[in-house]
Amino acid sequence: GQQVMQIPQYQHVQEGEDFTTYCNSSTTLSNIQWYKQRPGGHPVFLIQLVKSGEVKKQKRLTFQFGEAKKNSSLHITATQTTDVGTYFCADGDDYKLSFGAGTTVTVRA
Amino acid sequence: ETGVTQTPRHLVMGMTNKKSLKCEQHLGHNAMYWYKQSAKKPLELMFVYSLEERVENNSVPSRFSPECPNSSHLFLHLHTLQPEDSALYLCASSQDGSNQPQHFGDGTRLSIL
Repeated sequence: GQQVMQIPQYQHVQEGEDFTTYCNSSTTLSNIQWYKQRPGGHPVFLIQLVKSGEVKKQKRLTFQFGEAKKNSSLHITATQTTDVGTYFCADGDDYKLSFGAGTTVTVRA
Repeated sequence: ETGVTQTPRHLVMGMTNKKSLKCEQHLGHNAMYWYKQSAKKPLELMFVYSLEERVENNSVPSRFSPECPNSSHLFLHLHTLQPEDSALYLCASSQDGSNQPQHFGDGTRLSIL
């Protein structure tokens, strides 16, 4: 797997607002996976993006894969307290994943 | 989600002890993984087993010794650990093959005295 960089490291969001977290690579990615880890929990698979320019939605979450397949983003609209946690992107290789450092999200009620 | 079960959930041990972490998956997967998660660090892949064969060993110190007796079980044997080994140890499983999503257990929180 290749190294992926995530920004920002921390995101403090007012409840109801939108935010975006980014995942970047210096080289082309074969695919990107996103995981969410709640405080005290374990990473849970959210979605996988494979195609250039792919966009997938899960309720208030929108995932996008860049045209050059070197970056990805996760956009959350109308943030809720249930969105608290750390969101990881991971570069998929033949049999293993290389995880980014994650974006830790806190929500102000 | 109980697809991947790890025991124990918490473990406190001295540097001279020997202990083992256990992972069991009920998802019919044939690849299993050990990760180390320390505070403020990315998930670190330690070992990968595919079809019960070790295919990855990420320069992990020999004080960590994995064992995969079958596709449903994975162990991590620990001996002579150091304080910096204190971390959350996560087990995961997936279908073998390219780019399959991984399913994680709840982890074992390890503290070395």
